[in-house]
Amino acid sequence: GAGVSQSPSNKVTEKGKDVELRCDPISGHTALYWYRQSLGQGLEFLIYFQGNSAPDKSGLPSDRFSAERTGGSVSTLTIQRTQQEDSAVYLCASSDWGADTQYFGPGTRLTVL
Amino acid sequence: GNSVTQMEGPVTLSEEAFLTINCTYTATGYPSLFWYVQYPGEGLQLLLKATKADDKGSNKGFEATYRKETTSFHLEKGSVQVSDSAVYFCALSKSSGSARQLTFGSGTQLTVLP
Repeated sequence: GAGVSQSPSNKVTEKGKDVELRCDPISGHTALYWYRQSLGQGLEFLIYFQGNSAPDKSGLPSDRFSAERTGGSVSTLTIQRTQQEDSAVYLCASSDWGADTQYFGPGTRLTVL
Repeated sequence: GNSVTQMEGPVTLSEEAFLTINCTYTATGYPSLFWYVQYPGEGLQLLLKATKADDKGSNKGFEATYRKETTSFHLEKGSVQVSDSAVYFCALSKSSGSARQLTFGSGTQLTVLP
């Protein structure tokens, strides 16, 4: 079956603009994670969704970052007033409920000029 | 908190050489341990995992054994190939309720020369 998909694959934006990144998890997976991969910080956890429960936002670096998951499936990560330090690859992963194996999408490379 | 420490790279080997990439972790309780691989231009893929002490994960000739006494999960392969060139990430998953977010090491770049 289809894996995790993300769009766009690349996004270039200007400092101060808002961006939206999309993740489509594996069908039937109830858990969805966002991570960020950057040169300075490595791979960092951002936010986690599980079914209809309140998301775990403990990894979001600032209040400019937010995410939602509609209908328990597709998720959108929004970064407001982007800064140059937001430049990174944003990875989405999904897993079955209670499973510890996560399947990653190809990522969105965000460049803030 | 949880943390993962990987041996620093980059690592350059000749084809058919033996590979070890060291990984140690800090966590309370009993985390699950993983190795993920990122081939050039591709996303993260699960390479292998182990969920309890003394378990051995294996895949594509790679192996790693969960050692609780040394809090380690070193990755080994007896004979590397050029196609193994990639970045390797050690990670742990420690559940908090239903959340199982991964904590990653810094990654080790492996280059295998023909």
